[in-house]
Amino acid sequence: AQSVTQLGSHVSVSEGALVLLRCNYSSSVPPYLFWYVQYPNQGLQLLLKYTTGATLVKGINGFEAEFKKSETSFHLTKPSAHMSDAAEYFCAVSKSNAGKSTFGDGTTLTVKP
Amino acid sequence: GAGVSQSPRYKVTKRGQDVALRCDPISGHVSLYWYRQALGQGPEFLTYFNYEAQQDKSGLPNDRFSAERPEGSISTLTIQRTEQRDSAMYRCASSSMNYGYTFGSGTRLTVV
Repeated sequence: AQSVTQLGSHVSVSEGALVLLRCNYSSSVPPYLFWYVQYPNQGLQLLLKYTTGATLVKGINGFEAEFKKSETSFHLTKPSAHMSDAAEYFCAVSKSNAGKSTFGDGTTLTVKP
Repeated sequence: GAGVSQSPRYKVTKRGQDVALRCDPISGHVSLYWYRQALGQGPEFLTYFNYEAQQDKSGLPNDRFSAERPEGSISTLTIQRTEQRDSAMYRCASSSMNYGYTFGSGTRLTVV
């Protein structure tokens, strides 16, 4: 069975500050890992994914995440927050590039001016 | 189409009625997924298809829930004899082989 834990259901940062959203996973097989962003009244949008290879993954809008097997983590970061980054972020794990994904409960990011 | 389209956007139904939720995936996407999302939680897997074949229905809560994708494109999720606990956002997603999901905006189902 696979599971995802997102530490902190709400994160608040100031504009221009570092964004760090935490994700830890559990998987019995090498995982495929994803981050999605959800803006109000919209569907989830893929930010980035890790499949194999390079453990530092760059995504859209300046976000990146690093797969750390020893820590079973896939934390999402962005060096400098913008107001437009305010949204809900979901981490997900899968056994493959397709098929069922297991999602965390999400982290709501607030960006203060 | 350009994105994943779900209809209706909102559905209010009386307890005991059947409902059908529709998903039109991105053209050419082989895989189609149904998820359910309760308020304050992440999406929960229901079922998925490759082409018209249902690959995994392990997430369907009970036999009141069913899904089909008869021609490998549009899919319908049907809930029979709805109950209040079925109220949630139902999300559809599609994917090609080398990418993650593209989600639709969802159908908000309210059972009264």
